[in-house]
Amino acid sequence: SYELTQPPSVSVSPGQTARITCSGDALPKQYAYWYQQKPGQAPVLVIYKDSERPSGIPERFSGSSSGTTVTLTISGVQAEDEADYYCQSADSSGTYVFGGGTKLTVL
Amino acid sequence: QITLKESGPTLVKPTQTLTLTCTFSGFSLSTSGVGVGWIRQPPGKALEWLALIYWNDDKRYSPSLKSRLTITKDTSKNQVVLTMTNMDPVDTATYYCAHVSSSRNFDYWGQGTLVTVSS
Repeated sequence: SYELTQPPSVSVSPGQTARITCSGDALPKQYAYWYQQKPGQAPVLVIYKDSERPSGIPERFSGSSSGTTVTLTISGVQAEDEADYYCQSADSSGTYVFGGGTKLTVL
Repeated sequence: QITLKESGPTLVKPTQTLTLTCTFSGFSLSTSGVGVGWIRQPPGKALEWLALIYWNDDKRYSPSLKSRLTITKDTSKNQVVLTMTNMDPVDTATYYCAHVSSSRNFDYWGQGTLVTVSS
């Protein structure tokens, strides 16, 4: 079955740039989406179609794609950005999949 | 304003069938391009996509759980129902339903409902 691979954890100091990667064989042909989840809360969409930002999401969140890897970048990380981040995509048959999640720690 | 809310039992016994209902407002499942999906999350673990139904009744299932899942919609009631058979303690999780946009992402989520499988 199709899989998306994320690093389990990323740590950055406030004000620095955090980069979270997501790898998958179908990513060159399928869009990726990113969700932020804080403890006890439902996930929130922060990036769609690789690099588009929904309304209400701060400009410090951005997304990019290169080959089989997509990257969520958070510039000028703030304490409130500490959360779990999940990438999501689909394969050619329309089967959806989530990555294993990355815990972002703000030091 | 789009809202979704999950409802169903909080406790089921092993081997029983789980039936969850997602009741939504702010959109219609008869609108082209729209869908509703189910996602679950075991305590302390990652999100797992389960199933999805589109406005045209097209259905998609997780390959690993396909034999146990059924998703249906009632457009008149603004509801989507997910059934999962042969429940096991490993199925203990928070179950979410979510609106699927025309961009094929989950842009609105319910609050989730915790289902515990235990005898």
